[in-house]
Amino acid sequence: TAGITQAPTSQILAAGRSMTLRCTQDMRHNAMYWYRQDLGLGLRLIHYSNTAGTTGKGEVPDGYSVSRANTDDFPLTLASAVPSQTSVYFCASSDQGGQPQHFGDGTRLSIL
Amino acid sequence: AQSVTQLDSQVPVFEEAPVELRCNYSSSVSVYLFWYVQYPNQGLQLLLKYLSGSTLVKGINGFEAEFNKSQTSFHLRKPSVHISDTAEYFCAVSEPGNNRKLIWGLGTSLAVNP
Repeated sequence: TAGITQAPTSQILAAGRSMTLRCTQDMRHNAMYWYRQDLGLGLRLIHYSNTAGTTGKGEVPDGYSVSRANTDDFPLTLASAVPSQTSVYFCASSDQGGQPQHFGDGTRLSIL
Repeated sequence: AQSVTQLDSQVPVFEEAPVELRCNYSSSVSVYLFWYVQYPNQGLQLLLKYLSGSTLVKGINGFEAEFNKSQTSFHLRKPSVHISDTAEYFCAVSEPGNNRKLIWGLGTSLAVNP
């Protein structure tokens, strides 16, 4: 079972350009999440989705948007990238409350 | 607001020594508790979780954790570490009112030296 697949693995992007990070899960989990991980700041939630068709803002949503058209896919879009969005991005999913979140291997994004 | 505090940002230890990574949380309601491990350049993997029942929880790779409600702690322990345990360890707590969302500690970097 693949679990969670994130693409691309890494990317260098010019400031001002747009970018979509892809996330696909094959576990039929209802909830999905996008985090960014920065040194000294731990994991910070960007956006989440409790079920297909719904999304919610996390603690650092500005500059990012998400959609959840179906259960499996949860893309994250940077409309106009800025250098402060340089980070490692992780997608995760979970099923019921109390169940652990499953993580992808991350996308390392550098904005120049 | 709920918070999770990992009391040590870095823990150096020699191989085969015991280790304890400390985690405290703030919550007045019942929560779910998790420990995750992140090896270099990888995503996070679940080590163990506490949902209810026995306060001593055993996880993968010989790790265990003890839930202490009165001290709101969930410390992670291993009696004898290996070089391969070198990694970042994260404590997380479910958010009251939306228990699928997690509140994360900042992580503890465990460095096991020969």
